Amino acid sequence: SQELEQSPQSLIVQEGKNLTINCTSSKTLYGLYWYKQKYGEGLIFLMMLQKGGEEKSHEKITAKLDEKKQQSSLHITASQPSHAGIYLCGPRGGKLIFGQGTELSVKP
Amino acid sequence: SQTIHQWPATLVQPVGSPLSLECTVEGTSNPNLYWYRQAAGRGLQLLFYSVGIGQISSEVPQNLSASRPQDRQFILSSKKLLLSDSGFYLCAWSVPGRGGTEAFFGQGTRLTVV
Repeated sequence: SQELEQSPQSLIVQEGKNLTINCTSSKTLYGLYWYKQKYGEGLIFLMMLQKGGEEKSHEKITAKLDEKKQQSSLHITASQPSHAGIYLCGPRGGKLIFGQGTELSVKP
Repeated sequence: SQTIHQWPATLVQPVGSPLSLECTVEGTSNPNLYWYRQAAGRGLQLLFYSVGIGQISSEVPQNLSASRPQDRQFILSSKKLLLSDSGFYLCAWSVPGRGGTEAFFGQGTRLTVV
C-alpha cells in the first residue's frame, strides 16, 4: 500500500521567515493534495497538483510536484501566525490517505 | 452548496459503553464517505470508506464499525469502547471518480473514553 512520509514532523519558525515542508511517496504519484488543519478542527483544502513539474500558489503558500522523485514540497514565504497548524499531504486518486503531518508553529 | 455535518463535537464516554457518531452530507449525491481517527493532533488514520449505500471498506481491524444506511449518512459505531478508542474523529466526503478530487471535512468529534 502507498505511504507518504512528511518532513519535518514539526517546525517552529520566527514570523517573517520562509519554510519548506516535504512529502515523499513510497509509490508513483499521480497527483497530490495539500491540506491544512488548525488543531481540533477539520482539514481545509489548500491545493491539488496534478502533474509532474506543476507548481501552484495560494497567497504566500507555493507547492510543487516532482513526479520522478515521487515527492512534493510546500513552501511558505514570510510566515505569519495565521500559517500555524498541521499540514498534510495526500495522493490523488485511490483511497484518501495522508502523511503523518507537519506541525508548524510561528512565533510572533 | 455542499455541506457536511458531524456530531457531537465532543463526547466523554465510559469504557465498555457503546458509541455512535453520525455524519451527514448535504448538496451532493452518491459521495464517497470516509471516517478517520487522529491521535495526538497528527496524521489521519483512515478507518473506513464507503462508495455507496451498504458498501463499507475497513482499513484497520479494530473495535469500531461503520454503516451507511442512506446515501448521505455515515455512522461510526462501537459496541464496547476501549480506552484506546479515544481520539479525534473526522468524517469527510469527496466526489467519486474523475481521478480523485479534493475532500471536504467535518469539524470533528473529540472522543474521550474514561
